[in-house]
Amino acid sequence: GAVVSQHPSWVICKSGTSVKIECRSLDFQATTMFWYRQFPKQSLMLMATSNEGSKATYEQGVEKDKFLINHASLTLSTLTVTSAHPEDSSFYICSARDGLEKLFFGSGTQLSVL
Amino acid sequence: AQTVTQSQPEMSVQEAETVTLSCTYDTSESDYYLFWYKQPPSRQMILVIRQEAYKQQNATENRFSVNFQKAAKSFSLKISDSQLGDAAMYFCAYKKSGGSNYKLTFGKGTLLTVNP
Repeated sequence: GAVVSQHPSWVICKSGTSVKIECRSLDFQATTMFWYRQFPKQSLMLMATSNEGSKATYEQGVEKDKFLINHASLTLSTLTVTSAHPEDSSFYICSARDGLEKLFFGSGTQLSVL
Repeated sequence: AQTVTQSQPEMSVQEAETVTLSCTYDTSESDYYLFWYKQPPSRQMILVIRQEAYKQQNATENRFSVNFQKAAKSFSLKISDSQLGDAAMYFCAYKKSGGSNYKLTFGKGTLLTVNP
């Protein structure tokens, strides 16, 4: 099946710094990618929809200036958490859509902000 | 707005036995997709099974099958011959069909424990 690579798998950063997370579709072109956030023992909450070559669409309550999304190519989307604070600590997961209405997930990134 | 409800926060099953996980959803759409995803301790989301609403036949994938009741808006997952590797969090999810909307709405999940 299709593979979505997410990097890094975990990251620790200091409060106030920015962190970039990459999501790549390895064997298919993904015109649309999605970014989710998951708190411990909770469900996935959609943060934003990333469309190649256009601005991301953010869900209500998600700060677009805090969570910058770039989808510059058909195989890569990035999420940058700017000026991270401890409350941004969470598990972030991306997913990518292939041409057959199927979604494939990355392996996730655990962000810990000290 | 669409909602997905999983009423069982936790379930347990004996190895080799059968277990059914419940899911109900609310939508005004007539065509849509329903999914069950598995999230093991590695936290990788794995697609277990997919059902298209316009298909009356219940989807099956080896030991996994669904009972899709469109009128009742119910979409339960049956796991037969449960194995230790089936232990995971299971999420039911909904997606509108067609157009440019590929947004998944997830339920809160059911934690499945498989006892040896």
